[in-house]
Amino acid sequence: AQTVTQSQPEMSVQEAETVTLSCTYDTSENNYYLFWYKQPPSRQMILVIRQEAYKQQNATENRFSVNFQKAAKSFSLKISDSQLGDTAMYFCAFMRTDKLIFGTGTRLQVFP
Amino acid sequence: NAGVMQNPRHLVRRRGQEARLRCSPMKGHSHVYWYRQLPEEGLKFMVYLQKENIIDESGMPKERFSAEFPKEGPSILRIQQVVRGDSAAYFCASSPASGWYNEQFFGPGTRLTVL
Repeated sequence: AQTVTQSQPEMSVQEAETVTLSCTYDTSENNYYLFWYKQPPSRQMILVIRQEAYKQQNATENRFSVNFQKAAKSFSLKISDSQLGDTAMYFCAFMRTDKLIFGTGTRLQVFP
Repeated sequence: NAGVMQNPRHLVRRRGQEARLRCSPMKGHSHVYWYRQLPEEGLKFMVYLQKENIIDESGMPKERFSAEFPKEGPSILRIQQVVRGDSAAYFCASSPASGWYNEQFFGPGTRLTVL
C-alpha cells in the first residue's frame, strides 16, 4: 500500500524568505503523480503544484517549486519569497489510480 | 463555470440522527470522490463514484455509511445513526474522466458536528 509521510508538523518563515517542506512516500509503482495542496483557514483545498513521476524535470509554478527525487521517494516543496498569504496547512499527496493519498500535513506560518 | 458545490457547509446532528451531505460536481464532470478529514489530520479517501455506479468504496466504513451518484442530481453521502467520532470535514472532488491522472477539483467541504 502507498503511504505519504510529512515529518514536519509545523514550520515558520519570515516574509520574503524561502522555506522547504518535506515529503516522502512509499510505493512499488513506477508511474504515478505527486501533488502539493494548500489548505488555508477557509479549509478550501487548493492545488499548488503537481509532478509526474516519469518526468525528471522538477515542476515549477511561480514562487513554488519541487525537488523530486524518485529513487529516494522524496518530494519536497520550496516556497520562495514567502508571503503572508502563504500561511496555511500544506498537504503532500500521491496518486496512482483515481484516489489521492494524503500526508498528515505541515502547518506553515509566515511572519511579517 | 461554477466549481464543485457542497451543501450544507455546516451540519449539526445529535447522536443517532442521520446526516446527508450533497455534492454537485463541476459541469461536465461525471466522476465524484469523497474524502474525510478528521481534526488535525489529512484527508482520507472514502469512495469514488461515477454516474449510477460505485467504482471504489475501499475507504468507506463498513456500517452506517453509504454513497450514491444518481443519473440526475447531486452525489449524496449518507451517514446513519451518527456518533461523535463522525465529526469531521467531508470533502467532495470531481473530475471529468477516469484514469490514473485526471485532476480532482475540490469543493469547500461540509463540516459535520455531532453533539
